[in-house]
Amino acid sequence: DAGVIQSPRHEVTEMGQEVTLRCKPISGHNSLFWYRQTMMRGLELLIYFNNNVPIDDSGMPEDRFSAKMPNASFSTLKIQPSEPRDSAVYFCASRGQGVETQYFGPGTRLLVL
Amino acid sequence: QKEVEQNSGPLSVPEGAIASLNCTYSDRVSQSFFWYRQYSGKSPELIMSIYSNGDKEDGRFTAQLNKASQYVSLLIRDSQPSDSATYLCAADSNYQLIWGAGTKLIIKP
Repeated sequence: DAGVIQSPRHEVTEMGQEVTLRCKPISGHNSLFWYRQTMMRGLELLIYFNNNVPIDDSGMPEDRFSAKMPNASFSTLKIQPSEPRDSAVYFCASRGQGVETQYFGPGTRLLVL
Repeated sequence: QKEVEQNSGPLSVPEGAIASLNCTYSDRVSQSFFWYRQYSGKSPELIMSIYSNGDKEDGRFTAQLNKASQYVSLLIRDSQPSDSATYLCAADSNYQLIWGAGTKLIIKP
Protein backbone atom coordinates (compact mmCIF):
# COMPACT_ATOMS: atom_id res chain seq x y z
CA ASP A 1 0.00 0.00 0.00
CA ALA A 2 1.20 3.49 -0.74
CA GLY A 3 2.10 5.57 2.25
CA VAL A 4 1.58 9.29 2.66
CA ILE A 5 2.70 11.10 -0.48
CA GLN A 6 4.09 14.62 -0.44
CA SER A 7 5.21 16.89 -3.23
CA PRO A 8 7.48 18.51 -4.01
CA ARG A 9 10.26 16.80 -2.05
CA HIS A 10 12.47 19.86 -2.29
CA GLU A 11 11.58 23.48 -2.94
CA VAL A 12 13.91 26.44 -3.26
CA THR A 13 12.27 29.81 -3.68
CA GLU A 14 12.94 33.47 -3.16
CA MET A 15 11.52 35.58 -0.41
CA GLY A 16 8.09 36.92 -1.29
CA GLN A 17 7.13 34.06 -3.57
CA GLU A 18 4.13 31.82 -3.00
CA VAL A 19 4.85 28.25 -2.01
CA THR A 20 2.33 25.40 -2.20
CA LEU A 21 3.01 22.05 -0.56
CA ARG A 22 0.84 19.04 -1.36
CA CYS A 23 -0.13 15.91 0.52
CA LYS A 24 -2.04 12.74 -0.27
CA PRO A 25 -2.89 10.80 2.90
CA ILE A 26 -3.08 7.04 3.17
CA SER A 27 -6.31 5.79 1.61
CA GLY A 28 -9.00 5.35 4.24
CA HIS A 29 -7.37 7.60 6.81
CA ASN A 30 -9.66 10.36 8.03
CA SER A 31 -7.24 12.62 9.91
CA LEU A 32 -4.44 14.66 8.42
CA PHE A 33 -1.73 16.68 10.14
CA TRP A 34 0.73 19.26 8.83
CA TYR A 35 3.94 19.65 10.81
CA ARG A 36 7.02 21.81 10.51
CA GLN A 37 10.40 20.64 11.77
CA THR A 38 13.48 22.74 12.45
CA MET A 39 16.58 22.14 14.51
CA MET A 40 15.67 24.97 16.86
CA ARG A 41 11.98 24.20 17.45
CA GLY A 42 11.69 20.50 16.73
CA LEU A 43 8.43 19.08 15.38
CA GLU A 44 5.59 21.60 15.51
CA LEU A 45 1.97 20.89 14.66
CA LEU A 46 0.65 23.51 12.27
CA ILE A 47 -2.89 22.29 11.57
CA TYR A 48 -5.01 19.18 12.00
CA PHE A 49 -7.94 18.09 9.81
CA ASN A 50 -10.55 15.49 10.70
CA ASN A 51 -12.87 14.30 7.93
CA ASN A 52 -11.60 17.18 5.77
CA VAL A 53 -12.56 19.80 8.37
CA PRO A 54 -9.86 21.90 10.10
CA ILE A 55 -10.08 21.12 13.81
CA ASP A 56 -7.08 22.93 15.26
CA ASP A 57 -5.07 25.55 13.40
CA SER A 58 -3.59 27.19 16.48
CA GLY A 59 -0.12 26.21 15.34
CA MET A 60 -0.30 28.12 12.07
CA PRO A 61 2.36 30.81 12.55
CA GLU A 62 0.53 33.72 10.97
CA ASP A 63 -1.81 34.76 8.20
CA ARG A 64 0.81 34.01 5.58
CA PHE A 65 0.07 30.34 6.14
CA SER A 66 -3.12 28.67 4.94
CA ALA A 67 -4.19 25.05 4.54
CA LYS A 68 -7.02 23.35 2.74
CA MET A 69 -8.38 19.85 2.44
CA PRO A 70 -10.92 19.85 -0.40
CA ASN A 71 -11.42 16.08 -0.25
CA ALA A 72 -10.30 13.01 1.65
CA SER A 73 -7.33 12.35 -0.60
CA PHE A 74 -5.69 15.75 -0.95
CA SER A 75 -4.46 18.64 1.15
CA THR A 76 -2.37 21.73 0.51
CA LEU A 77 -0.34 24.03 2.71
CA LYS A 78 0.30 27.43 1.21
CA ILE A 79 2.73 30.12 2.29
CA GLN A 80 2.22 33.54 0.76
CA PRO A 81 4.45 35.50 0.86
CA SER A 82 7.31 33.24 1.91
CA GLU A 83 10.12 34.46 4.18
CA PRO A 84 13.58 33.02 4.95
CA ARG A 85 12.41 32.03 8.45
CA ASP A 86 9.91 29.65 6.83
CA SER A 87 12.81 27.44 5.75
CA ALA A 88 12.20 24.04 7.33
CA VAL A 89 11.07 20.51 6.57
CA TYR A 90 7.30 20.27 6.30
CA PHE A 91 5.74 16.90 7.04
CA CYS A 92 2.26 15.65 6.38
CA ALA A 93 0.95 12.75 8.46
CA SER A 94 -2.30 10.81 8.40
CA ARG A 95 -4.19 8.66 10.86
CA GLY A 96 -7.00 6.15 10.62
CA GLN A 97 -10.27 6.42 12.51
CA GLY A 98 -10.16 5.26 16.10
CA VAL A 99 -6.40 4.95 16.29
CA GLU A 100 -3.74 7.34 17.54
CA THR A 101 -0.80 6.22 15.39
CA GLN A 102 0.24 8.78 12.80
CA TYR A 103 2.07 7.87 9.61
CA PHE A 104 4.38 10.42 8.09
CA GLY A 105 5.11 11.32 4.52
CA PRO A 106 8.70 11.84 3.32
CA GLY A 107 8.51 15.59 3.89
CA THR A 108 9.14 18.67 1.79
CA ARG A 109 12.43 20.43 2.41
CA LEU A 110 11.78 24.14 1.88
CA LEU A 111 14.50 26.74 1.49
CA VAL A 112 13.49 30.38 1.15
CA LEU A 113 16.33 32.61 0.01
CA GLN B 1 0.84 23.81 28.61
CA LYS B 2 0.99 20.11 27.86
CA GLU B 3 4.54 18.91 27.34
CA VAL B 4 6.64 15.88 26.61
CA GLU B 5 10.23 16.15 27.75
CA GLN B 6 13.27 14.23 26.60
CA ASN B 7 16.98 14.61 27.09
CA SER B 8 18.28 15.90 23.75
CA GLY B 9 21.54 13.95 24.04
CA PRO B 10 23.53 12.89 22.23
CA LEU B 11 23.48 9.58 24.04
CA SER B 12 26.49 7.52 23.09
CA VAL B 13 26.30 3.73 23.60
CA PRO B 14 28.79 1.02 22.60
CA GLU B 15 27.67 -1.52 20.01
CA GLY B 16 26.05 -4.52 21.66
CA ALA B 17 25.08 -2.64 24.83
CA ILE B 18 21.61 -1.60 25.99
CA ALA B 19 20.47 1.89 25.04
CA SER B 20 17.98 3.47 27.43
CA LEU B 21 15.88 6.42 26.31
CA ASN B 22 13.56 8.28 28.67
CA CYS B 23 10.60 10.59 28.39
CA THR B 24 8.21 12.33 30.80
CA TYR B 25 4.83 13.81 29.99
CA SER B 26 2.66 16.38 31.72
CA ASP B 27 -0.90 15.52 30.66
CA ARG B 28 -2.27 12.96 33.13
CA VAL B 29 -5.15 12.26 30.74
CA SER B 30 -2.80 10.81 28.10
CA GLN B 31 -3.47 7.13 27.46
CA SER B 32 -1.36 6.30 24.40
CA PHE B 33 2.37 6.69 24.01
CA PHE B 34 4.62 6.28 21.03
CA TRP B 35 8.27 6.02 20.13
CA TYR B 36 9.27 7.13 16.66
CA ARG B 37 12.70 6.80 15.12
CA GLN B 38 13.99 9.47 12.74
CA TYR B 39 17.11 9.00 10.67
CA SER B 40 18.87 12.14 9.51
CA GLY B 41 17.07 13.60 6.50
CA LYS B 42 14.17 11.15 6.80
CA SER B 43 10.67 11.24 8.27
CA PRO B 44 9.70 9.86 11.68
CA GLU B 45 8.68 6.19 11.65
CA LEU B 46 6.79 4.39 14.37
CA ILE B 47 8.73 1.72 16.23
CA MET B 48 6.68 1.14 19.38
CA SER B 49 3.37 2.09 20.93
CA ILE B 50 2.29 1.40 24.51
CA TYR B 51 -1.02 1.91 26.25
CA SER B 52 -0.83 0.00 29.55
CA ASN B 53 1.46 0.22 32.55
CA GLY B 54 4.37 -2.17 32.39
CA ASP B 55 6.59 -3.46 29.65
CA LYS B 56 5.93 -4.21 25.99
CA GLU B 57 8.54 -6.07 24.00
CA ASP B 58 9.05 -6.22 20.24
CA GLY B 59 12.26 -7.85 19.12
CA ARG B 60 15.21 -5.88 20.48
CA PHE B 61 12.92 -3.05 21.63
CA THR B 62 11.12 -2.79 24.97
CA ALA B 63 8.83 0.10 25.85
CA GLN B 64 8.04 0.78 29.49
CA LEU B 65 5.18 2.88 30.84
CA ASN B 66 4.58 4.14 34.37
CA LYS B 67 1.47 6.30 34.43
CA ALA B 68 1.79 7.12 38.13
CA SER B 69 5.19 8.68 37.49
CA GLN B 70 4.19 9.94 34.00
CA TYR B 71 7.24 8.26 32.60
CA VAL B 72 7.89 6.35 29.38
CA SER B 73 11.10 4.67 28.35
CA LEU B 74 12.51 2.73 25.43
CA LEU B 75 15.20 0.11 25.80
CA ILE B 76 17.17 -1.13 22.82
CA ARG B 77 19.05 -4.35 23.46
CA ASP B 78 22.13 -5.43 21.49
CA SER B 79 22.45 -1.93 20.02
CA GLN B 80 23.59 -1.79 16.42
CA PRO B 81 25.16 1.09 14.45
CA SER B 82 21.93 1.12 12.41
CA ASP B 83 20.09 2.17 15.58
CA SER B 84 21.88 5.52 15.46
CA ALA B 85 19.07 8.03 14.97
CA THR B 86 16.93 10.54 16.82
CA TYR B 87 14.16 8.98 18.89
CA LEU B 88 10.98 10.98 19.38
CA CYS B 89 8.58 10.30 22.23
CA ALA B 90 4.91 11.30 21.80
CA ALA B 91 1.82 11.22 24.00
CA ASP B 92 -1.79 11.54 22.90
CA SER B 93 -3.70 14.60 24.05
CA ASN B 94 -7.08 15.70 22.79
CA TYR B 95 -6.90 13.55 19.63
CA GLN B 96 -3.45 14.90 18.77
CA LEU B 97 0.08 13.88 19.66
CA ILE B 98 2.32 16.00 21.84
CA TRP B 99 5.93 15.51 20.77
CA GLY B 100 9.17 15.58 22.65
CA ALA B 101 12.20 17.27 21.11
CA GLY B 102 13.88 13.92 20.55
CA THR B 103 17.02 12.19 21.86
CA LYS B 104 19.91 11.68 19.49
CA LEU B 105 21.36 8.20 19.92
CA ILE B 106 24.81 7.30 18.66
CA ILE B 107 25.92 3.66 18.64
CA LYS B 108 29.69 3.39 18.58
CA PRO B 109 31.14 0.36 16.75
